[in-house]
Amino acid sequence: EDQVTQSPEALRLQEGESSSLNCSYTVSGLRGLFWYRQDPGKGPEFLFTLYSAGEEKEKERLKATLTKKESFLHITAPKPEDSATYLCAVQTVNDYKLSFGAGTTVTVRA
Amino acid sequence: DADVTQTPRNRITKTGKRIMLECSQTKGHDRMYWYRQDPGLGLQLIYYSFDVKDINKGEISDGYSVSRQAQAKFSLSLESAIPNQTALYFCATSDLHNEEQFFGPGTRLTVL
Repeated sequence: EDQVTQSPEALRLQEGESSSLNCSYTVSGLRGLFWYRQDPGKGPEFLFTLYSAGEEKEKERLKATLTKKESFLHITAPKPEDSATYLCAVQTVNDYKLSFGAGTTVTVRA
Repeated sequence: DADVTQTPRNRITKTGKRIMLECSQTKGHDRMYWYRQDPGLGLQLIYYSFDVKDINKGEISDGYSVSRQAQAKFSLSLESAIPNQTALYFCATSDLHNEEQFFGPGTRLTVL
């Protein structure tokens, strides 16, 4: 059974304090790993897709990396507007469905 | 205008009532999905459809049914609502060539 585990559940940061979120996964064959951002009361918003170990993608203060067992979302010098829940999801080679982790809620204080 | 819309945005209903949640998209995507989200849990897939004639059960389809009326419309029904179906419901779409899914704003459903 595919499993996706995100840690920590919650992260409180001071503005400018860089940190990383973890997404560990167990799947039969990975097609892709996805990162989404979700603001309160809204639907998830797509950030990145990673397909192979060693791949990295960046967007503003966010950088996602992938290994064979886990992915990290690095937040560099975060600002209060980076406060959100970050979700990761995996897609396997067997089908096109996404399996989501429970998310990490990030709060950045000014 | 939003690419993926959901109606209603909020709904309170009683145990045993039938309720329909609707999703419309203007992205021209063939694939549509219904998820539910509960506090502390990830998004769980209820049903998905890869085209108008294709409907598939997800992880938690019991107690739900769907209808794909057109490429742009995908409805989720609760035939007889029960309190543990209280949750946030999201519709999403994707196309054949890109795996990323685009989500609607969600429907908050409360079953009393």
